Amino acid sequence: GAGVSQSPRYKVAKRGQDVALRCDPISGHVSLFWYQQALGQGPEFLTYFQNEAQLDKSGLPSDRFFAERPEGSVSTLKIQRTQQEDSAVYLCASSLAVTSGYYNEQFFGPGTRLTVL
Amino acid sequence: GDSVTQMEGPVTLSEEAFLTINCTYTATGYPSLFWYVQYPGEGLQLLLKATKADDKGSNKGFEATYRKETTSFHLEKGSVQVSDSAVYFCALTADRGSTLGRLYFGRGTQLTVWP
Repeated sequence: GAGVSQSPRYKVAKRGQDVALRCDPISGHVSLFWYQQALGQGPEFLTYFQNEAQLDKSGLPSDRFFAERPEGSVSTLKIQRTQQEDSAVYLCASSLAVTSGYYNEQFFGPGTRLTVL
Repeated sequence: GDSVTQMEGPVTLSEEAFLTINCTYTATGYPSLFWYVQYPGEGLQLLLKATKADDKGSNKGFEATYRKETTSFHLEKGSVQVSDSAVYFCALTADRGSTLGRLYFGRGTQLTVWP
C-alpha cells in the first residue's frame, strides 16, 4: 500500500460508549505503534507490537484501553466506556523491525480524531 | 525518564527570515534525535534525523546538529518560505533498553511564515 491508513478519520462518541479504531500498516512492516495526541501537545506513546506480539503496553492510560494485532498486520485500538479526557487524535505508525542500535523510520498515518461528548 | 523540551510557540516570521527552534533533551545512553513536521491537514513526516553526537541532519534547507555536551538538537533554516508553515516536533528514541522503539515528542512549535 501507499502508506499507513487509519479509519475512521473522525469519530464522535457519547460518554460511556465503546469505540474501535483501525490501523492498516505499510505492507511488510513488522512493527506497529499507537500514539495519543491531545490538542496542542506532542504525541504520547501508548503501545507497540512486533508482529502479533504486544511488546510494550506501558503507555496505555487505563485498563479501558486495549490494543490487538492478531495476525501481525492490521491493528485495532479499543477504548471502553469512553470519557471526555479520551478526546484526542490517535496516531498509528509502522516501521521495519525495531532493532537495538539502529533506528528504522516510523511512518505515521493521518490519525483518527476522537471527540467524546 | 527520557524527555524532550521544545521551544514554545507560536513563531511568526516573514518570508526569507532566519529560523531557530530550540530543543533540548534528557536521556540515558545515546538516543537518536529527530525533527518531525506536520503540515496542515497532513500526517506527521520525518524531516531530519541524527543518530550520534556531532551528526548533522539536513533536509529541505533545514539543519540540526546533535550536541551531546549541551543535550540539544536545535532546528535552523537560513531563509524560510510560506510553504514551511507547519507544526514542528522534536523527538528522540532510545538506542537500547525497555523503551526501545518508542518515540518521545516535544509539545510542538507552530510556525507561520508570512509573504
